[in-house]
Amino acid sequence: GAVVSQHPSWVICKSGTSVKIECRSLDFQATTMFWYRQFPKQSLMLMATSNEGSKATYEQGVEKDKFLINHASLTLSTLTVTSAHPEDSSFYICSARQGDGSPLHFGNGTRLTVT
Amino acid sequence: LAKTTQPISMDSYEGQEVNITCSHNNIATNDYITWYQQFPSQGPRFIIQGYKTKVTNEVASLFIPADRKSSTLSLPRVSLSDTAVYYCLVGSLAAGNKLTFGGGTRVLVKP
Repeated sequence: GAVVSQHPSWVICKSGTSVKIECRSLDFQATTMFWYRQFPKQSLMLMATSNEGSKATYEQGVEKDKFLINHASLTLSTLTVTSAHPEDSSFYICSARQGDGSPLHFGNGTRLTVT
Repeated sequence: LAKTTQPISMDSYEGQEVNITCSHNNIATNDYITWYQQFPSQGPRFIIQGYKTKVTNEVASLFIPADRKSSTLSLPRVSLSDTAVYYCLVGSLAAGNKLTFGGGTRVLVKP
């Protein structure tokens, strides 16, 4: 089946630094990928839609200059948390569909801790 | 995007059948219903997907009435490892279509 891989699975960074998270579709091409964020004991919140070769579409309330998304190829989307602060500490999850008619497949998430 | 409503939590015992109902009153014609399972610190895992009537796979069944305004995920003979949060998502399956999560149902399976 379709596999979505994220890297790293966890990262700790200092406040003010930037962190990049990678999301790869391992056995299929994805023109669109989705980024979610999840705080403890809460549901997933959609942050943005990543489009290959064009700008990402951000959900209301998500700062595009803080969460930079790059979808440079059909198998890779990256999310960069810029100037991270402790309140950005969260579980970030990406997802993609293998094609029309397929369910969303999710990566295993990246636990970000900002100290 | 169709809004979904699920019970916040459910308790069950090993070997029992667990049924989780999801309400989606404003489901659109092109929308499908998809259920996911999530364990702590992991991404959601696809369980089952359907459009109408009944769908069954090796792990679950999905029942969808004719009006499609609700759906029920049925997990037969649960085990302790089925303790997780279960999410019902509703939306079209176009590759570029985003899906939003509702609150999910936290299922606790007891010995």
